[in-house]
Amino acid sequence: AQSVTQPDIHITVSEGASLELRCNYSYGATPYLFWYVQSPGQGLQLLLKYFSGDTLVQGIKGFEAEFKRSQSSFNLRKPSVHWSDAAEYFCAVGSTGFQKLVFGTGTRLLVSP
Amino acid sequence: DAGVIQSPRHEVTEMGQEVTLRCKPISGHDYLFWYRQTMMRGLELLIYFNNNVPIDDSGMPEDRFSAKMPNASFSTLKIQPSEPRDSAVYFCASRPAKNYGYTFGSGTRLTVV
Repeated sequence: AQSVTQPDIHITVSEGASLELRCNYSYGATPYLFWYVQSPGQGLQLLLKYFSGDTLVQGIKGFEAEFKRSQSSFNLRKPSVHWSDAAEYFCAVGSTGFQKLVFGTGTRLLVSP
Repeated sequence: DAGVIQSPRHEVTEMGQEVTLRCKPISGHDYLFWYRQTMMRGLELLIYFNNNVPIDDSGMPEDRFSAKMPNASFSTLKIQPSEPRDSAVYFCASRPAKNYGYTFGSGTRLTVV
């Protein structure tokens, strides 16, 4: 069965600094990979997704993620963080034939002035 | 489109009472998912439907939990009797058959006292 690991529970970044959130997955075949963001009291919003093709995918709000098969990783990046990016970020993996997603435990991003 | 609509947004109930959570998926979406989010366990998939038919309910924690989807535009998650450990945020999500990005509702925060 597929699984997702987000090793960082909390990350604090200064406003304007770059960001990288880590995600490692476990799945035998080519996975479908997603990043979602959850603001306090809100549902999850899709940031970006990877199915195939170019391993660097662009998403909304200036985020990007890179799929690295050799490392089983799908890390999320942003070159310059804004205070409004403070939220919880979830990585998710879907299986071939894809019906359901399995989510990681999330990383809470704090942005300091 | 109004997105995935969940009601109520907040529910406070006494232990032993029946609780019903409601979800209206996006029109045309073939899949509907119920997730539960807690601090301890993160996001857990409870059950999902395809074309109104329950496909996988292995995540439903106990017989106290039941879910129905009587038509393509409505689903319910019922807990009877409720217990304090059921306190969580319950999310509904939907997606079309060939687009793999879920759309989440804003969630129902359930508190059982």
